[in-house]
Amino acid sequence: DVKVTQSSRYLVKRTGEKVFLECVQDMDHENMFWYRQDPGLGLRLIYFSYDVKMKEKGDIPEGYSVSREKKERFSLILESASTNQTSMYLCASTEERGVYNEQFFGPGTRLTVL
Amino acid sequence: KQEVTQIPAALSVPEGENLVLNCSFTDSAIYNLQWFRQDPGKGLTSLLLIQSSQREQTSGRLNASLDKSSGRSTLYIAASQPGDSATYLCAALDSNYQLIWGAGTKLIIKP
Repeated sequence: DVKVTQSSRYLVKRTGEKVFLECVQDMDHENMFWYRQDPGLGLRLIYFSYDVKMKEKGDIPEGYSVSREKKERFSLILESASTNQTSMYLCASTEERGVYNEQFFGPGTRLTVL
Repeated sequence: KQEVTQIPAALSVPEGENLVLNCSFTDSAIYNLQWFRQDPGKGLTSLLLIQSSQREQTSGRLNASLDKSSGRSTLYIAASQPGDSATYLCAALDSNYQLIWGAGTKLIIKP
């Protein structure tokens, strides 16, 4: 079974802090994604990566950056956390870019910025 | 731009009923459509994936259909159980290989 893990289930940070959210998948998947999920807004794509050291902006990249130094790990970085970044963050991975790309999700990280 | 809509936003039915969840999309140029389940405070679990060339997929008590010409997909749940209570999301893979998400239907099955 594919397993996608996220470093924390719950995280509380203060405004202005630098925050790292880690995601690891164990199935050698090419593609990895970071979403945030907010009530009434659904899932919104922040960044994605189709290969190591490769990244592309999603729909809402402002205030975020990412890092993919190894194939299995995709990190989301909040350079200076703000209260409007309080949200549920979901990581996902897929085997390859193409029509059979069922997405597998991690358990999510609920981030609160005070 | 592709838009995906799920109506209703919430649904409550008695245990044992068969039910249908709806998902509509505006652009028929999709590669596939996926249905997910999300329990409160948890991540998403993939339920069914229908390729654009397929009409339906089945898994246990779940059956998902796809009609590209009308821009609709349905998720049919037979003999509903309280454990089916969750939020169900659909997502369409568009021509740019991006998943476009619906906002979800929150389903409550009353014992």
